[in-house]
Amino acid sequence: DGGITQSPKYLFRKEGQNVTLSCEQNLNHDAMYWYRQDPGQGLRLIYYSQIVNDFQKGDIAEGYSVSREKKESFPLTVTSAQKNPTAFYLCASSIDFQTKNIQYFGAGTRLSVL
Amino acid sequence: DAKTTQPPSMDCAEGRAANLPCNHSTISGNEYVYWYRQIHSQGPQYIIHGLKNNETNEMASLIITEDRKSSTLILPHATLRDTAVYYCIVKTGANNLFFGTGTRLTIIP
Repeated sequence: DGGITQSPKYLFRKEGQNVTLSCEQNLNHDAMYWYRQDPGQGLRLIYYSQIVNDFQKGDIAEGYSVSREKKESFPLTVTSAQKNPTAFYLCASSIDFQTKNIQYFGAGTRLSVL
Repeated sequence: DAKTTQPPSMDCAEGRAANLPCNHSTISGNEYVYWYRQIHSQGPQYIIHGLKNNETNEMASLIITEDRKSSTLILPHATLRDTAVYYCIVKTGANNLFFGTGTRLTIIP
């Protein structure tokens, strides 16, 4: 099945620890995105990548880092600098970065702080 | 990107048509209207999009007013599985979607 796979589904972070969330897609899409969702809220863009080896900050990039070494993979690292990391994290992809393209989402990773 | 306004919640009886309104009075001529939905604790799912004309696909219909300042998403025969938060998004330019708080639609058996 084609789609976007996020792992793990649940993740716990200790104080001062960096954690990495995985996002893999087999849709052959060029563009990939990371969003954060807090309870009862909409989605906020963290980072996006238009193409391999390129990525741009979104609205709330502080405390996060990403890489895009392969077309199909766009991992997100939540660093210790992110003081309030508890949230639902969603990865998405689209064919490319043009206006009309639809974004397809993974099932999400729920991150909590121990 | 133009801002959108949606009612926070709506109920609809199972089997009836669910009509979800969205106001986007500041929309510009080249901005598309998109609808997504998010079932609890899952990723958002694309439903439909349109520019000027009404659109229909296997999931829903999108009715856009002639002045494009508002639109309505229609789920023709709502089922319990349609219970979700529905997001109306208007965007242009960069492909970043701005999800507000949407409309929480509850289908009543």
